[in-house]
Amino acid sequence: NAGVTQTPKFQVLKTGQSMTLQCAQDMNHNSMYWYRQDPGMGLRLIYYSASEGTTDKGEVPNGYNVSRLNKREFSLRLESAAPSQTSVYFCASTRDRVNTEAFFGQGTRLTVV
Amino acid sequence: LAKTTQPISMDSYEGQEVNITCSHNNIATNDYITWYQQFPSQGPRFIIQGYKTKVTNEVASLFIPADRKSSTLSLPRVSLSDTAVYYCLVGPTWGTGRRALTFGSGTRLQVQP
Repeated sequence: NAGVTQTPKFQVLKTGQSMTLQCAQDMNHNSMYWYRQDPGMGLRLIYYSASEGTTDKGEVPNGYNVSRLNKREFSLRLESAAPSQTSVYFCASTRDRVNTEAFFGQGTRLTVV
Repeated sequence: LAKTTQPISMDSYEGQEVNITCSHNNIATNDYITWYQQFPSQGPRFIIQGYKTKVTNEVASLFIPADRKSSTLSLPRVSLSDTAVYYCLVGPTWGTGRRALTFGSGTRLQVQP
C-alpha cells in the first residue's frame, strides 16, 4: 500500500519552462490537496479538489493550474515557472471533504533558476 | 478563516513531558482540532484529533477546554526523535471564506539530550 505517491522527487527548471507535478493515491480518497512549503515556513494551500470533477483555489493559486484526472490522480501544473516558485511541493489526500486525517506524499523539491 | 496561534518554538529535554498550546478563538461549531507532526524533508503526519474534552492515543494526548478556544497537545516523555514541527489545524469548514486543511507556521520543538 503506497499511500500518496508524488513524481518527480526533484526537479530543476529554467525560468519560463513548464512542468507538471504528478500525484496519485491508492486509498480511494475523495479529496486531494496541493501545498507548497518554503524553507523554514509552514505549508500553504495552492489548490484542492473536494471530489472527483471539482477543484478550488487555496491560499496561493497564482501561477498554478490543477487537474483532477480521476479519483486517484491530482496534478499540479506550472505553465511558466518563476524563481518565486522554488519550493517543496506536497500532495495530500483525505477520505472526504470533512475528514481531517490527511495523508501526505514525500514531496517534490523544485528549484527554478 | 479559523486562524490558529501557536508558539514559534519550544525546547525540552529527553524524558520530559511537553505541552504545546494552540489558540483558536473563532473556532466554529462544526470544526475539529487536528495536530500534525513534520520531520525535515518529509510531509506532515497526522498525530491526533479531537472535538472536546480529552483524547489520547499511543502517541499523544489532546486536551480541549469546554469553550474550545484553545487546545493543548501533550507529548509524554519526549525523546530526540520527537524533534519536529507540530501544526495545529482547525476545521475543515467548507463555505465562503473558509479553506480546507489550512496550516499555520507550526511550533518547532527541539529536544535536547
